[in-house]
Amino acid sequence: AIQMTQSPSSLSASVGDRVTITCRASQGIRNDLGWYQQKPGKAPKLLIYAASSLQSGVPSRFSGSGSGTDFTLTISSLQPEDFATYYCLQDYNYPHTFGQGTKLEIK
Amino acid sequence: EVQLVESGGGLIQPGGSLRLSCAASGFTVSSNYMSWVRQAPGKGLEWVSVIYSGGSTYYADSVKGRFTISRDNSKNTLYLQMNSLRAEDTAVYYCASGGGGYWGQGTLVTVSS
Repeated sequence: AIQMTQSPSSLSASVGDRVTITCRASQGIRNDLGWYQQKPGKAPKLLIYAASSLQSGVPSRFSGSGSGTDFTLTISSLQPEDFATYYCLQDYNYPHTFGQGTKLEIK
Repeated sequence: EVQLVESGGGLIQPGGSLRLSCAASGFTVSSNYMSWVRQAPGKGLEWVSVIYSGGSTYYADSVKGRFTISRDNSKNTLYLQMNSLRAEDTAVYYCASGGGGYWGQGTLVTVSS
């Protein structure tokens, strides 16, 4: 199975900060990667699909980039509602695999 | 409005069986690929299984041979039959639409004696 390694595992930041989360695949996955946001007690929410496409309804401060093995999720200016845990998911082949998550906390 | 509503979770003894359901509205289960994802308490997300519109299915290694994904087109409902349950299967189970755009609220499965 493809391993997805996210970094950092946790991150403290302030409202207005620019934040970047990375995800590395153990082998090339083209651009078959999505990013999800999850808040405590809630289902995950799709933010980005196909590595860089913004899901409908998601604010434009979220962006994704990358291809092959290295991917990034960037939040250009953190808002209070963005403090959550973020996961990447490869859907290049089966089994699909998630990264271990990045918990974004308020500094 | 699309809604996915899971049910069927609960407390079950190790070795037991349980069937989860995911009832869809505003969305046709048979026309899309559908997935199950789980999350153990305090842990990250784990992909479990998928079923395609043509009927192809895939499973995580951790559940292969024990879990079966299926759907009932007439009821517009997705299922996950879970057999030979283990303590490590304890988790909230979510159903999700193919591209991940829609998710249910999750149902908790607790495997314990």
